Amino acid sequence: AQSVAQPEDQVNVAEGNPLTVKCTYSVSGNPYLFWYVQYPNRGLQFLLKYITGDNLVKGSYGFEAEFNKSQTSFHLKKPSALVSDSALYFCAVRDPVTGGGNKLTFGTGTQLKVEL
Amino acid sequence: DSGVTQTPKHLITATGQRVTLRCSPRSGDLSVYWYQQSLDQGLQFLIQYYNGEERAKGNILERFSAQQFPDLHSELNLSSLELGDSALYFCASTEAGGPVGELFFGEGSRLTVL
Repeated sequence: AQSVAQPEDQVNVAEGNPLTVKCTYSVSGNPYLFWYVQYPNRGLQFLLKYITGDNLVKGSYGFEAEFNKSQTSFHLKKPSALVSDSALYFCAVRDPVTGGGNKLTFGTGTQLKVEL
Repeated sequence: DSGVTQTPKHLITATGQRVTLRCSPRSGDLSVYWYQQSLDQGLQFLIQYYNGEERAKGNILERFSAQQFPDLHSELNLSSLELGDSALYFCASTEAGGPVGELFFGEGSRLTVL
């Protein structure tokens, strides 16, 4: 079965510093990987995805993620964190196409806290 | 605003009761997905509908059921409620042939079972 793991429940970073939120995956076949963000009392919002091609993908709000096949990782990064980036971040993988459409399996989430 | 509307936003009920959660997808979206978010289970996929038909099933209990109506809105029915059913229930939608994996989520319905 497809799965993703987010090893950190919480990441703390100072504003202006780079941030990394980690994700590793386990899939059979080619991985379709995603990052979503959830702000308090809101639904999840799509940030970015990796389907194929360049290992560095860019997304919304200045976020990017690096796909690393040898390490089976898809870490979320941002060069300079903002306090407004504080939120819950989810890594996700799309299940095989066989009847699943866009069914996504999400990780447990990582709470990002950016402090002044 | 994602364009996905969920009602009610909050619901408090007692064990053994039955509730219905409603979701209106974005205009034109044919697929609807239901997810349950709880502290101990995280975000769990429940079920997907596409244009009125069940397309995929996840960790959905037999006490739970869902359907998608001709106008494409969907309802999630939860019966014989237990304390452990307390969670945030999300609906998401996508368009047919749209970007892979880009789901649009509603703000959720928070269910509290007392």
